[in-house]
Amino acid sequence: AQKVTQAQTEISVVEKEDVTLDCVYETRDTTYYLFWYKQPPSGELVFLIRRNSFDEQNEISGRYSWNFQKSTSSFNFTITASQVVDSAVYFCALSEDTNAGNMLTFGGGTRLMVKP
Amino acid sequence: GAVVSQHPSRVICKSGTSVKIECRSLDFQATTMFWYRQFPKKSLMLMATSNEGSKATYEQGVEKDKFLINHASLTLSTLTVTSAHPEDSSFYICSARGPRMERDNNEQFFGPGTRLTVL
Repeated sequence: AQKVTQAQTEISVVEKEDVTLDCVYETRDTTYYLFWYKQPPSGELVFLIRRNSFDEQNEISGRYSWNFQKSTSSFNFTITASQVVDSAVYFCALSEDTNAGNMLTFGGGTRLMVKP
Repeated sequence: GAVVSQHPSRVICKSGTSVKIECRSLDFQATTMFWYRQFPKKSLMLMATSNEGSKATYEQGVEKDKFLINHASLTLSTLTVTSAHPEDSSFYICSARGPRMERDNNEQFFGPGTRLTVL
């Protein structure tokens, strides 16, 4: 069975601070995919990144960066120089490469509040 | 990118009525669609997996007679909440996955969600 844990339920930072959102996953599969989504107050999920289990290269996209560590089963997300518009709930998710339709298992989410 | 729409975006209904929510893939054919439910300040919970032309696979604890899913075409799946009650009030989100064109194509495209309020 797969499981995703986001230990931080809420984080509050002041604008321009850096913030890291943690994600730890469990899976028995050797092939799997990890995702991060942003959910602003409107409710619509915004896709941020997908990473497959064979690609441990860290990625940077503007102020966003991701650190994938298979050894610790973690896929952490860092926002550099946070802005008020970054305030949202962020979900980490896992999908195993099976024939079951590749369902997504979501973590509990981390609510990020960036104050001006 | 691939676009998934949901209709309606918001619905308020009386207890005992049935509500149908549509999920459409606008620019691609979706062999598989997923329905999620999200309670306030909670995570998304998968309700069921819907494959075109076959019966949906429901997750444990989800009543198939309560939440009817129909995936009649490659671009449309519907979720009908039958005899809705206040405890069915929630945010319902669908996602769609197209045919696997390549090994590393495992992305789901999410609809904007439907907020259901049952009075």
